[in-house]
Amino acid sequence: RKEVEQDPGPFNVPEGATVAFNCTYSNSASQSFFWYRQDCRKEPKLLMSVYSSGNEDGRFTAQLNRASQYISLLIRDSKLSDSATYLCVVTGGGNKLTFGTGTQLKVEL
Amino acid sequence: SQTIHQWPATLVQPVGSPLSLECTVEGTSNPNLYWYRQAAGRGLQLLFYSVGIGQISSEVPQNLSASRPQDRQFILSSKKLLLSDSGFYLCAWSVWDLNQPQHFGDGTRLSIL
Repeated sequence: RKEVEQDPGPFNVPEGATVAFNCTYSNSASQSFFWYRQDCRKEPKLLMSVYSSGNEDGRFTAQLNRASQYISLLIRDSKLSDSATYLCVVTGGGNKLTFGTGTQLKVEL
Repeated sequence: SQTIHQWPATLVQPVGSPLSLECTVEGTSNPNLYWYRQAAGRGLQLLFYSVGIGQISSEVPQNLSASRPQDRQFILSSKKLLLSDSGFYLCAWSVWDLNQPQHFGDGTRLSIL
């Protein structure tokens, strides 16, 4: 089983739609969780951290389910500019983060 | 605020040539530093990380090496590049706390001919 698994997509959604991504992780000892956004041919950028209580940042909501070992990202009122690959990131052993391979989102007119 | 600089942005090298990519961080002390590679359409592969000057941990066997000659400087090198070394190389830093996120440089797109 991969340490971090994501549906690669692509998720094609119309502008204004709500879309959700899930990510599962295998290390039950993981303590920290993040969502990054990566535009084509660019570096990953931190989108938000994921807290146990869930957190919201504008149109973006992140949730953590420790019992089932998954995290989710919900995007409301999708914009064209939200088109990107969304990377799920989990702390692993040592001083390392484990990155998922990403879920591609395409928001269309 | 902290910034990370990585250069060059793009590089085209012949097979068998040497490589040196440099990364520097400003605005923080004693950061953890990381080198990743991302092949086209693939995920991020951790190559090396460092928790301090002269301390390098290698994640995958390969013909690359890393060095940290100064606190905020991280260098990725190779004596002889292979075709399979092509990819997008990313440097990242984080504070020493494992539970904090990493922040990436702009990356170097390396093409081997």
